[in-house]
Amino acid sequence: GESVGLHLPTLSVQEGDNSIINCAYSNSASDYFIWYKQESGKGPQFIIDIRSNMDKRQGQRVTVLLNKTVKHLSLQIAATQPGDSAVYFCAENRKGSTLGRLYFGRGTQLTVWP
Amino acid sequence: IAGITQAPTSQILAAGRRMTLRCTQDMRHNAMYWYRQDLGLGLRLIHYSNTAGTTGKGEVPDGYSVSRANTDDFPLTLASAVPSQTSVYFCASSDGGGASDTQYFGPGTRLTVL
Repeated sequence: GESVGLHLPTLSVQEGDNSIINCAYSNSASDYFIWYKQESGKGPQFIIDIRSNMDKRQGQRVTVLLNKTVKHLSLQIAATQPGDSAVYFCAENRKGSTLGRLYFGRGTQLTVWP
Repeated sequence: IAGITQAPTSQILAAGRRMTLRCTQDMRHNAMYWYRQDLGLGLRLIHYSNTAGTTGKGEVPDGYSVSRANTDDFPLTLASAVPSQTSVYFCASSDGGGASDTQYFGPGTRLTVL
């Protein structure tokens, strides 16, 4: 069936390096995507979103890229810091689905080492 | 501004017991949601409410009920808890119930049913 997924379950990077977390989706009707960060013992925290009429969106130290041709989403974190260690989820909100329904990937664990 | 609060933080419950998880938001958001998060399965929608007075079923509604008497509160009730309901429960809210509204999450309730 259609699902939001992630290419890698874990990612380890050195402090100061850039991180790239990937997400694949298969529903071409999806028109809105969100990245969440979840630290251990806490709820998901909104990072950045992007709509399907955009290819790129930048925030503070984060950039989301959307490639609709291959149905791929990525989150880039610049100058990764220890505080960035967390699980990162992508989520899609499929057009025509139950209002407000978010479909989540299973997450990628990002570990930042000194 | 507190955002979304959930209570209790954690609970151990005997099977067959009734339990209500509380969720309150102070952002005057119209829509609210309940998710459960299980290892390997990600976040799954239990119930949602697009506005006060209305509720709807999500992906895994069986064994749970909700009510939305006012804008701020969205309690989740387990009428007779079973061990398979052991999970971490997250409440979320969004300004609207539309397909492109960002959802903001509470800190979660860790529930163990023995």
